[in-house]
Amino acid sequence: AQSVSQHNHHVILSEAASLELGCNYSYGGTVNLFWYVQYPGQHLQLLLKYFSGDPLVKGIKGFEAEFIKSKFSFNLRKPSVQWSDTAEYFCAVNPGGSYIPTFGRGTSLIVHP
Amino acid sequence: GAVVSQHPSWVICKSGTSVKIECRSLDFQATTMFWYRQFPKQSLMLMATSNEGSKATYEQGVEKDKFLINHASLTLSTLTVTSAHPEDSSFYICSASGGLTDTQYFGPGTRLTVL
Repeated sequence: AQSVSQHNHHVILSEAASLELGCNYSYGGTVNLFWYVQYPGQHLQLLLKYFSGDPLVKGIKGFEAEFIKSKFSFNLRKPSVQWSDTAEYFCAVNPGGSYIPTFGRGTSLIVHP
Repeated sequence: GAVVSQHPSWVICKSGTSVKIECRSLDFQATTMFWYRQFPKQSLMLMATSNEGSKATYEQGVEKDKFLINHASLTLSTLTVTSAHPEDSSFYICSASGGLTDTQYFGPGTRLTVL
């Protein structure tokens, strides 16, 4: 069965620090990849997605993610975090041709002002 | 962007009663809707996938007679938790998609507490 691993469960950073959250998946074929964010008390929102093309994807709020097929990874990055980035981040993977997603466990990010 | 609403946002009920949760896509037609359960500090667990006009597809371990899903129109899906028990207390989230492999848009969730 396909699985999605988010290795960092809790990350604590100071403002202006750089961020990288790991996401690895186990499916060997074509995949569609997503990062979602859940701010405290709010619903899940799409940060960015990759279906095909340039493996470096730009999302909202200064986030980006790089798809590295050989490593089965889709890590999320931001060069300088802000206090408002405090949230739960979820990686999700759809096998190509399927609309059934598999979510990672999530990473809780706390940014200190 | 696409908006998905859920109603109610929270509900408290007695053990043995049934609770209906609505999920609506407000500004697009949702070919597919998903129902998730989210436990505290854990990921989303997909419960079922429903396509408009057809029976829902349930994930392994999810009781279809307990969690009744209806997707009667392209903008509305409902989840009914029948004969709810305290262990059914959870955060239920729906999402809607416009088509195969399309992005999912999530509702705000419904907090169910069964006493």
